[in-house]
Amino acid sequence: SQKIEQNSEALNIQEGKTATLTCNYTNYSPAYLQWYRQDPGRGPVFLLLIRENEKEKRKERLKVTFDTTLKQSLFHITASQPADSATYLCALGLDSNYQLIWGAGTKLIIKP
Amino acid sequence: SAVISQKPSRDICQRGTSLTIQCQVDSQVTMMFWYRQQPGQSLTLIATANQGSEATYESGFVIDKFPISRPNLTFSTLTVSNMSPEDSSIYLCSVATGGETQYFGPGTRLLVL
Repeated sequence: SQKIEQNSEALNIQEGKTATLTCNYTNYSPAYLQWYRQDPGRGPVFLLLIRENEKEKRKERLKVTFDTTLKQSLFHITASQPADSATYLCALGLDSNYQLIWGAGTKLIIKP
Repeated sequence: SAVISQKPSRDICQRGTSLTIQCQVDSQVTMMFWYRQQPGQSLTLIATANQGSEATYESGFVIDKFPISRPNLTFSTLTVSNMSPEDSSIYLCSVATGGETQYFGPGTRLLVL
């Protein structure tokens, strides 16, 4: 069966440390993968997109890796801050119709 | 990018009634999506609503239950018909502005009693 898995348990990280979130998938061949942030009571907000032929993407304190052999993406936040606390969703893009397949998200808590 | 607003932001409804959710975009967009999100769950796509064509529904969602209108490039509505408590959820609209990125509205929180 097709699945997208993100850690269902909340991830607690000390401020200043690097937070690493995982997105694993099975039986998909995505053309690209996206990461979004969702705060309580709000819609998701786009953070980064990485394509199947890219290994790594960076944006300020954010870094995403994409391993199509392992069928895994890692999302890193360096020098984490309490304001980074949110739920982070990964989403697979399969083709050009722009539809996304979503993971359930991982709640990240950055403690001061 | 795009700025999206939704109305209502939340509602409490009685079973058997219908609710129409509005989605307004600050720019013209072709592709608009309607999602449902249960607490702690992933986003589930209900339908894709492109202006000028009938909405395309995903498996498990039907037009009689979730009729969608897309009268122009900046506006869409989703109606949740003949509601039951199982329809209690957050309903989100999003748009794709020509790339793969989607921009979301704030969502409509629906509770059906």
